[in-house]
Amino acid sequence: AQSVTQPDIHITVSEGASLELRCNYSYGATPYLFWYVQSPGQGLQLLLKYFSGDTLVQGIKGFEAEFKRSQSSFNLRKPSVHWSDAAEYFCAVGPRGGYNKLIFGAGTRLAVHP
Amino acid sequence: DAGVTQSPTHLIKTRGQQVTLRCSPKSGHDTVSWYQQALGQGPQFIFQYYEEEERQRGNFPDRFSGHQFPNYSSELNVNALLLGDSALYLCASSLARLAGVGTGELFFGEGSRLTVL
Repeated sequence: AQSVTQPDIHITVSEGASLELRCNYSYGATPYLFWYVQSPGQGLQLLLKYFSGDTLVQGIKGFEAEFKRSQSSFNLRKPSVHWSDAAEYFCAVGPRGGYNKLIFGAGTRLAVHP
Repeated sequence: DAGVTQSPTHLIKTRGQQVTLRCSPKSGHDTVSWYQQALGQGPQFIFQYYEEEERQRGNFPDRFSGHQFPNYSSELNVNALLLGDSALYLCASSLARLAGVGTGELFFGEGSRLTVL
């Protein structure tokens, strides 16, 4: 079955600390991979995406993610977290060839302590 | 440049009623997808419209239906509402020719929050 697992429901970090959010997926073939962020009362904003090529992808707001095919993982990282990064983060996968039927994980809620 | 706009932002219905949610895609986009996001969950794909036809559908009953108009805007209709239909309904738009070659982006609106009592 196709699925996305985000093992951490809540994560709390101190401002300035590094961050890693985990994402594992189960899919028939190598999918398109995405990370989205959702602030309270807002829609989803794309942070970054992986389609092919370099497995380390850079996104907006200083985020990066690394695709590891052998581990079926696509973990999101940021070297230094800002208070404004507090939000909910969603990992998603979809079939190659379009933005069809994205499958989202349940999300990780990030809290940032000053 | 307006992004994806959805209306209404909030609405309350009772069980058994019907609801229509509306979405205007980002300027220049021709494909609209709808997602349901229950509280504390990730979004779930409902269906996608392109060229005024439903192209893909997720695991949702026939009570969920949609439409895409010639100007690319879209509606989501839900009949015979159940308590479990309470959720944030997200509309997302994209440009098919870019999505098909792995470029472009799926843009989301802020959603319509439906409460069923």
